[in-house]
Amino acid sequence: EVQLVESGGGLVQPGGSLRLYCAASGLSVSDYEMNWVRQAPGKGLEWVSYSNRDGGIILYADSVRGRFTISKDTAENSLYLQMNSLRADDTAVYFCARRFSRYMDVWGKGTTVTVSS
Amino acid sequence: DIQMTQSPSSVSASVGDRVTITCRASQDINSWLAWYQQKPGKAPNLLIYDASSLRSGVPLRFSGSGSGTDFSLTISSLQPEDFATYYCQQTNSFPHTFGQGTKLEI
Repeated sequence: EVQLVESGGGLVQPGGSLRLYCAASGLSVSDYEMNWVRQAPGKGLEWVSYSNRDGGIILYADSVRGRFTISKDTAENSLYLQMNSLRADDTAVYFCARRFSRYMDVWGKGTTVTVSS
Repeated sequence: DIQMTQSPSSVSASVGDRVTITCRASQDINSWLAWYQQKPGKAPNLLIYDASSLRSGVPLRFSGSGSGTDFSLTISSLQPEDFATYYCQQTNSFPHTFGQGTKLEI
């Protein structure tokens, strides 16, 4: 069964850092383009970041560029999102998703990040 | 960035009704559009891709149409499990923006 499981979320103070993890099973992250998408409480979906198969092409939303870093660990078969300089408006559920033929066809259940003092 | 505008923001309907949700892009996105369904506390689920292609396993009562800037999602006969929030997303160019969502309520 193809599965993505996020972890690493939690409560962090403004200006702090968190590293999110997305463990893959039933698929190899190195074989697919991958995305992070977030959803603030009661709000819609926001695309956050993209990595192509080998990590050679990486893209970010303007709202996180310069603060967030996406990466893959093929040995661990995982996707990561390093989040620095966190702000209150980064509070959201963060989903990792596989991108297949332009669309996100496999999603994790999400991990919750709360930025608050 | 390409802006995606869905309408309506919410709609009330009954089991058996036919419902159509529209999505307008701020510029031509060809047919690079997806529709997702999301239920409370769950991840989004891909329903339609390339504007009108039904993902395998998705019931035939769901259909999508459109190209260019104007798109729609139609549910031909609402079932109880269809009450959820629906999002369109363009994948023509990054950032791959979503519409604001349409909440389908009983």
